[in-house]
Amino acid sequence: IAGITQAPTSQILAAGRRMTLRCTQDMRHNAMYWYRQDLGLGLRLIHYSNTAGTTGKGEVPDGYSVSRANTDDFPLTLASAVPSQTSVYFCASSDGGLGEQYFGPGTRLTVT
Amino acid sequence: QKEVEQNSGPLSVPEGAIASLNCTYSDRGSQSFFWYRQYSGKSPELIMSIYSNGDKEDGRFTAQLNKASQYVSLLIRDSQPSDSATYLCAVNMRGGYQKVTFGTGTKLQVIP
Repeated sequence: IAGITQAPTSQILAAGRRMTLRCTQDMRHNAMYWYRQDLGLGLRLIHYSNTAGTTGKGEVPDGYSVSRANTDDFPLTLASAVPSQTSVYFCASSDGGLGEQYFGPGTRLTVT
Repeated sequence: QKEVEQNSGPLSVPEGAIASLNCTYSDRGSQSFFWYRQYSGKSPELIMSIYSNGDKEDGRFTAQLNKASQYVSLLIRDSQPSDSATYLCAVNMRGGYQKVTFGTGTKLQVIP
């Protein structure tokens, strides 16, 4: 059982380019999340999905979009990358309402 | 006031000592509380969950919750150099798994 996988592991992206970060879980968790982690700011929620077919905005959603076509996959798209989106991105999942979340290994994104 | 506050550290303790990590939260209606460990360059790993007042022990780790004081702590007994990491406090505010808020973390250094 892999848990949560993310791809790519790291990426250098030119500003203005479109990029999709992939996230797949094999735990059949209903809820999935995307966070970014920046030094001094901690983990900040970008978007979440409580169940397949639904998504919601987190604390810092601007410039990002998500979709949840099925239970396992939750891709995060940057439509037109900007340098301020340079960060480490973590995908996480949760199987219930108590809030225990399990994280993927992360994607380190640099926008130049 | 931040929703979840932690001292950023670093907290330095000698090997074999007890490390005490503290966290305060702002929402009195918070229901679930978590501690994550994050090694440098890695993703957060859930190590403790606590839902009711009092202590919860798991091996060398003890989580303590005081809802009246809006305070949650993590004790690590017999600290080892391998415990050196950043510890994130997370709080599920008002229920609903999309409302987990993370503190910025306390860096722990265990000195051999």
